[in-house]
Amino acid sequence: ETGVTQTPRHLVMGMTNKKSLKCEQHLGHNAMYWYKQSAKKPLELMFVYNFKEQTENNSVPSRFSPECPNSSHLFLHLHTLQPEDSALYLCASSQEQGSLAKNIQYFGAGTRLSVL
Amino acid sequence: QKEVEQNSGPLSVPEGAIASLNCTYSDRGSQSFFWYRQYSGKSPELIMFIYSNGDKEDGRFTAQLNKASQYVSLLIRDSQPSDSATYLCAVNGVGNAGKSTFGDGTTLTVKP
Repeated sequence: ETGVTQTPRHLVMGMTNKKSLKCEQHLGHNAMYWYKQSAKKPLELMFVYNFKEQTENNSVPSRFSPECPNSSHLFLHLHTLQPEDSALYLCASSQEQGSLAKNIQYFGAGTRLSVL
Repeated sequence: QKEVEQNSGPLSVPEGAIASLNCTYSDRGSQSFFWYRQYSGKSPELIMFIYSNGDKEDGRFTAQLNKASQYVSLLIRDSQPSDSATYLCAVNGVGNAGKSTFGDGTTLTVKP
């Protein structure tokens, strides 16, 4: 148990559906991250929030919409996804966005998403 | 050139041997370096982090950093089958503080 909880663990959705992924951290951290991990590909950073402010959008398509209502919760809203969006979506948190020890990231278990 | 490059692997070592995992990075201003381990079907977990040139030891694990040569390595002594996993190198730079760039990962198999 890393202190970062993601729900749901598995999600199957059609291309016209709208769904949301949820991430909650109980570590008192101030930075939260969304990553995408596809088969045979490296971890891809999608979004970063630091003290509830979005500080990084790594050229992510608008069909992915993040929301960070407070430092403990992070959502990823999904709509009109494509089959190539099927992947493991990982949430992580760190003390804050910065260098050295402040950026040690703790990952949730991930949501395995399948888009049909 | 990728920002962070790792041995393509897979790497296979016998139980009890030393496993050596290497990582090179392109941003000379990088400040902090992390090794994460990811078991199949699981999320990454931090193994070691290192900021200063030289070696840092933690149990069976040793991280080595050489900023002049822009590489960081992870040595696993007395490898165990339970060490079989994918090892991810992550690098943070001055210009992108807080943004970890990950390598592709190296898959290690320790054979009993």
